[in-house]
Amino acid sequence: EVQLVESGGGLVQPGGSLRLSCAASGFTFSDYSMDWVRQAPGKGLEWVGRSRNKANNYMTEYAASVKGRFIIFRDDSGNSLSLQMNNLKTEDTAVYYCTCGFFFHWGQGSLVTVSS
Amino acid sequence: QSVLTQPPSISAAPGQKVTMSCFGSSSNIGDNYVSWYQQLPGTAPRLLIFDTNRRASGIPDRFSASKTGTSVTLQITGLQTGDEADYYCGAWDTSLNAEVFGGGIKLTVL
Repeated sequence: EVQLVESGGGLVQPGGSLRLSCAASGFTFSDYSMDWVRQAPGKGLEWVGRSRNKANNYMTEYAASVKGRFIIFRDDSGNSLSLQMNNLKTEDTAVYYCTCGFFFHWGQGSLVTVSS
Repeated sequence: QSVLTQPPSISAAPGQKVTMSCFGSSSNIGDNYVSWYQQLPGTAPRLLIFDTNRRASGIPDRFSASKTGTSVTLQITGLQTGDEADYYCGAWDTSLNAEVFGGGIKLTVL
């Protein structure tokens, strides 16, 4: 059974940093593209970024709204994905979901609140 | 403002059929596969449809999808109260080099 478990969310001040983690199990992590998707309170889904698999040279892609501030890391040996978020803004407040295989499976989400 | 456009809400009675639309452009829906997601209240989204018209594992055949040009539709037949949820369409946008989603449509089963 595929499992994706996010952790690391919490309250952070504007301009601060936070790192989310996603622990994956139940599939061959290195074979799959992994994405982060977020959802602001009461709003729709917004794609954050993607880490492609080894066959695609681990290419990363980001939404324009986070490019230059957020970085996706993946650790194939540890079956984990991370999202390093820097220079956080209030509009980054959202539940962040880890997904695999082009959105075939989703984690339960981790809430990030950016507020002073 | 979402790149893909969905009406905000739709409603129908139990047992009825509902069709919901998602409108895009040549750089997303027109050029790439589309997915549909269901988000039940208080839960994470789950994949319903991928590759425009293929049901994900465990999704009943009451759910079907199709594409015409730069728009797609999701049809649900034999509506159940458990189908009440938000439904999102999504596709890769070749011009933006990004995954884009619709704003979501809230389905109410009266």
